[in-house]
Amino acid sequence: AQTVTQSQPEMSVQEAETVTLSCTYDTSESDYYLFWYKQPPSRQMILVIRQEAYKQQNATENRFSVNFQKAAKSFSLKISDSQLGDAAMYFCAYRSALNYGQNFVFGPGTRLSVLP
Amino acid sequence: ETGVTQTPRHLVMGMTNKKSLKCEQHLGHNAMYWYKQSAKKPLELMFVYNFKEQTENNSVPSRFSPECPNSSHLFLHLHTLQPEDSALYLCASSQGGIATDTQYFGPGTRLTVL
Repeated sequence: AQTVTQSQPEMSVQEAETVTLSCTYDTSESDYYLFWYKQPPSRQMILVIRQEAYKQQNATENRFSVNFQKAAKSFSLKISDSQLGDAAMYFCAYRSALNYGQNFVFGPGTRLSVLP
Repeated sequence: ETGVTQTPRHLVMGMTNKKSLKCEQHLGHNAMYWYKQSAKKPLELMFVYNFKEQTENNSVPSRFSPECPNSSHLFLHLHTLQPEDSALYLCASSQGGIATDTQYFGPGTRLTVL
């Protein structure tokens, strides 16, 4: 079974600075998808970014980018120019591409605080 | 934030009560999910429905009973719950059946069992 680990339960960053959240996963599959989701306090969980394992190029979405290291099974999220609205729980998630598998596996989350 | 809605947003119930959680998606998706989110634990997938058919049941106790009458609606019927069932219950939907499948979440129902 696949597992997702986020080794940083809590992180903090100064406004306008850059922060990197770590995620590692364990799988024997070669084709899969990785996701970062953001859950602001008392608000809906939303997709931040998605990475296809077959793509070598790292995904980017505005101030959010990932560092995908397939061999190391590492998928970190970099947030540049941090804003107060970035404060949230961040979840890393894995989904197998095998048979369009729908068992999304989530990590325990990292709580990010943004300091003014 | 209106793609997936959940009602009620908050629910307090006794262990002998029967209640239901409702989820509705307005995204034209074919797959729907129930997750349990407890403090300091990873999201736990409970049930998955594809085209109204249940395809996953991750060893969930029978006091939780899902129902999916159509691709847009998903219910979670609750009866004789335990205090440890108190959690945030999240509903999600996805297109289903595509390689790039991505889940979209509702705001959740905060359940407290007394």
